[in-house]
Amino acid sequence: AQRVTQPEKLLSVFKGAPVELKCNYSYSGSPELFWYVQYSRQRLQLLLRHISRESIKGFTADLNKGETSFHLKKPFAQEEDSAMYYCARLGPGPHNFGNEKLTFGTGTRLTIIP
Amino acid sequence: KAGVTQTPRYLIKTRGQQVTLSCSPISGHRSVSWYQQTPGQGLQFLFEYFSETQRNKGNFPGRFSGRQFSNSRSEMNVSTLELGDSALYLCASSGRVGTGELFFGEGSRLTVL
Repeated sequence: AQRVTQPEKLLSVFKGAPVELKCNYSYSGSPELFWYVQYSRQRLQLLLRHISRESIKGFTADLNKGETSFHLKKPFAQEEDSAMYYCARLGPGPHNFGNEKLTFGTGTRLTIIP
Repeated sequence: KAGVTQTPRYLIKTRGQQVTLSCSPISGHRSVSWYQQTPGQGLQFLFEYFSETQRNKGNFPGRFSGRQFSNSRSEMNVSTLELGDSALYLCASSGRVGTGELFFGEGSRLTVL
């Protein structure tokens, strides 16, 4: 079965310090991986996709197939980064095309200390 | 564009009853997925619909069912409710299939007494 592991339930970081949220996945070919974020009293929303290779709100995530990891990083934490972060991977499903099933990790609650 | 809308937002049921939750996706989105969120199990996939067809189903008992209408609106039903069904049920829609880019609703919080 596909698994996504986020080893830290809680993470506290001082404002201005670097942030790293860990995510590991069970090996299976070429995964499509995502980070979703839920800010206080807001909906769960997509933060970034590994396939886009983009930086959103200063966050980046690199897929490391050798270590089966997809850690989320930001060099300087800001107070508005406090939120719940979920790592997720796409699939599997019975269809090769258009499968929208996401398998989520259990999430990491990030708190930025002023 | 209006976001994903879920109704009702909160509901309380007793064991043995059934419940129907509704989801209106973002206009133009044809894929609708449902997830159950609990403190113990986190976010778990229930099922996904596209053009009125269930394309994928999670590992839940047959008491959990769903459907999608021609206007892409979706409903999920849970019959013979159990205490363990208490959860936040999230609906998500997608406009670009196969991308994993989901837009979530605020959820329907079900409490089973």
